[in-house]
Amino acid sequence: EAQVTQNPRYLITVTGKKLTVTCSQNMNHEYMSWYRQDPGLGLRQIYYSMNVEVTDKGDVPEGYKVSRKEKRNFPLILESPSPNQTSLYFCASSLYPGTNEKLFFGSGTQLSVL
Amino acid sequence: KQEVTQIPAALSVPEGENLVLNCSFTDSAIYNLQWFRQDPGKGLTSLLLIQSSQREQTSGRLNASLDKSSGRSTLYIAASQPGDSATYLCAVGGGDYKLSFGAGTTVTVRA
Repeated sequence: EAQVTQNPRYLITVTGKKLTVTCSQNMNHEYMSWYRQDPGLGLRQIYYSMNVEVTDKGDVPEGYKVSRKEKRNFPLILESPSPNQTSLYFCASSLYPGTNEKLFFGSGTQLSVL
Repeated sequence: KQEVTQIPAALSVPEGENLVLNCSFTDSAIYNLQWFRQDPGKGLTSLLLIQSSQREQTSGRLNASLDKSSGRSTLYIAASQPGDSATYLCAVGGGDYKLSFGAGTTVTVRA
């Protein structure tokens, strides 16, 4: 089954404790992206990747890191989480960027930073 | 910077009524527009994708129109059902390979 898999689904942590949210897709997609969703603000893009070893900042990249060492994986890293990073996070992928390909989303990771 | 607005934020209709959801955007230089459905606690599912050269796209009871010149898209859902209750988001794809999302319209269809 074609899917985008995120882990974990729920995560509670404390300020400053490094964490990684994993994302994997099995569709051989070139494009992957991370979003955060906050009430009333919609989805905002954190980082995106056009291909292996190619990443770029989205609209809200501060406090986040990403890497794309393999085509299928695109982990999101919070080196020193802070309470304002409490949010619902989504990973997404599509075949090629800038084309008319639908975007596929993971089920989300609800992060709480205390 | 692309700004995407969805009004109203919430909508409640009786079963059987047609739904009309609106999306407006500020920059008409787009390459596509997608409508998504989001159920509580779940990810987003792409419903329809309209290419920048198209005026509308249809899938079953869903029809989405696009008017680039006025910066508007409308999602029509015919003969609404309780199972259509969800949040609907539109997203505009720009030339910088980014998607700009609206905040969504939460729809409740009353049985």
